[in-house]
Amino acid sequence: GESVGLHLPTLSVQEGDNSIINCAYSNSASDYFIWYKQESGKGPQFIIDIRSNMDKRQGQRVTVLLNKTVKHLSLQIAATQPGDSAVYFCAESGIRGSTLGRLYFGRGTQLTVWP
Amino acid sequence: NAGVTQTPKFQVLKTGQSMTLQCAQDMNHEYMSWYRQDPGMGLRLIHYSVGAGITDQGEVPNGYNVSRSTTEDFPLRLLSAAPSQTSVYFCASSPDRVGGNQPQHFGDGTRLSIL
Repeated sequence: GESVGLHLPTLSVQEGDNSIINCAYSNSASDYFIWYKQESGKGPQFIIDIRSNMDKRQGQRVTVLLNKTVKHLSLQIAATQPGDSAVYFCAESGIRGSTLGRLYFGRGTQLTVWP
Repeated sequence: NAGVTQTPKFQVLKTGQSMTLQCAQDMNHEYMSWYRQDPGMGLRLIHYSVGAGITDQGEVPNGYNVSRSTTEDFPLRLLSAAPSQTSVYFCASSPDRVGGNQPQHFGDGTRLSIL
């Protein structure tokens, strides 16, 4: 069936290191992908998005990579800081039968940054 | 600019009670949606609306009703609360009428416990 999931439920990194969070999707018709950050007690916060006509997109300290061949998405965070500790969700959308592009969310990866 | 505002932040109900979770956005967004988030799971879509007067079901609509009489407001009603509806509920909005081609902006959630 269709699913959006993450390879690791938890990730621990040391402050200053780079972090890589992975996401797999199964719908080959997915054409829009987005990463959210969720801090404890808060709603998801938009980080970065990418469309299927791109392989890479960069933001401030973050980079999203999209590999459509293997249906894989990753979020790279450079020089990870304690404030980056949160749960990170990937989400994707694309036409599924008659359903237009709603967002479908993965289960999330808990990123912990150690000083 | 408040963004997406959800009330109340916390609520405890007894089984069988009904209540309405409020959601308001001040960004003039067409698309609004309700998700629930359960431990270890991603966000699951309950209901959504692509504009005033238009609503539709998401993945887990049973036990919930919605209406969209104005662009700004999208209340979620629990008809007869059940313990299985204990969850954190998030409301989101997007300028994109489809809901899956631009980032959705989330409120900070309502934490609901059903006894």
